[in-house]
Amino acid sequence: RKEVEQDPGPFNVPEGATVAFNCTYSNSASQSFFWYRQDCRKEPKLLMSVYSSGNEDGRFTAQLNRASQYISLLIRDSKLSDSATYLCVVNGKRGGGSQGNLIFGKGTKLSVKP
Amino acid sequence: DGGITQSPKYLFRKEGQNVTLSCEQNLNHDAMYWYRQDPGQGLRLIYYSQIVNDFQKGDIAEGYSVSREKKESFPLTVTSAQKNPTAFYLCASSPRLRGSVETQYFGPGTRLLVL
Repeated sequence: RKEVEQDPGPFNVPEGATVAFNCTYSNSASQSFFWYRQDCRKEPKLLMSVYSSGNEDGRFTAQLNRASQYISLLIRDSKLSDSATYLCVVNGKRGGGSQGNLIFGKGTKLSVKP
Repeated sequence: DGGITQSPKYLFRKEGQNVTLSCEQNLNHDAMYWYRQDPGQGLRLIYYSQIVNDFQKGDIAEGYSVSREKKESFPLTVTSAQKNPTAFYLCASSPRLRGSVETQYFGPGTRLLVL
């Protein structure tokens, strides 16, 4: 299994649709999980951290399943401005002390159409 | 305003030339990072630094060098030994690294092109 694996996409959805992104990770010892958003030719920006109990921020809901090593991001009532690439990020084993550094998935591209 | 700045936005390198990418942050973050992103690929870690005057190799350090003489600054040099330097280079920082994994905040990036 790749360290962080995401749906390849692209996802093309109409405005108002609900869209779900999935991500699996290989390191069972990982403790920190994030979703980042990256617009075309821009830097990644933190969308939300993912907590064990699941968390919600407006139209965005993130969930974590440690047993399955699976993370999800749900976007409800999608807007044109949600069009971007969504990166799943997990801390890994390599370097950075006991917690390791962040490992970035390749991302899933979302295109919301009018 | 607090943030991370990178310069230049675009950089052109000739064969056999070393070039240096600038990264500055005024967030008072301890840790700083350099990543490389190629089209359709995830970010790959080049170097990181947890504290001034200390830095560690990431996954793809060959052909790159860094320094961390000041907390605010973490410049990256792409040397002539890096045979495929064309990429989008991203600098990031985080509050601390020891004992926990903190959210990383990114600068706007530098696009390096080989002439």
